[in-house]
Amino acid sequence: GESVGLHLPTLSVQEGDNSIINCAYSNSASDYFIWYKQESGKGPQFIIDIRSNMDKRQGQRVTVLLNKTVKHLSLQIAATQPGDSAVYFCAESLDNYGQNFVFGPGTRLSVLP
Amino acid sequence: NAGVTQTPKFRILKIGQSMTLQCAQDMNHNYMYWYRQDPGMGLKLIYYSVGAGITDKGEVPNGYNVSRSTTEDFPLRLELAAPSQTSVYFCASSPGDQPQHFGDGTRLSIL
Repeated sequence: GESVGLHLPTLSVQEGDNSIINCAYSNSASDYFIWYKQESGKGPQFIIDIRSNMDKRQGQRVTVLLNKTVKHLSLQIAATQPGDSAVYFCAESLDNYGQNFVFGPGTRLSVLP
Repeated sequence: NAGVTQTPKFRILKIGQSMTLQCAQDMNHNYMYWYRQDPGMGLKLIYYSVGAGITDKGEVPNGYNVSRSTTEDFPLRLELAAPSQTSVYFCASSPGDQPQHFGDGTRLSIL
């Protein structure tokens, strides 16, 4: 289930289940969105991106959905694996040139054996 | 191909000291960025640069300075360290309107 911890929201899922991580963005004019994965002690790592002219984009085991009406972004991870345990951030680009990204607070994904 | 390299990885400073956090990228990216990440929080943009000789403020620039004399390097300077600057600092680069590549961070404590 999903819970709000002292710092980061945490999502716990069983290994093999699908994960859905949600993100609300702030600016209706944002036209480019990115999901990053951050493992402990590392910098954020690109997972998948989507532009505002799309509603859905699929990668390997990951899908990003964009709902511009309610300014909502989600990341779906299929068949979640222990290596997926990390903090996941969404980022929105506030200009048309990718110069100014705003990051969400992040969600910690814990994969249970 | 090293990507984005940050040095040092860890540093402890005393209040009032100064230091420079180094960042270098070998991907010939025009865009470079400095972020800070406080515990349990997202990344906040400090400064960014769209090319050599061009820098601009982000969301939280106070207490920091940057320079961009070459495409490869984008150092971040703290002139008078304050406890509020204790954080993890990430440097990133990108070719433009594309995902950023991040370094592994500098963990800075100010006591």
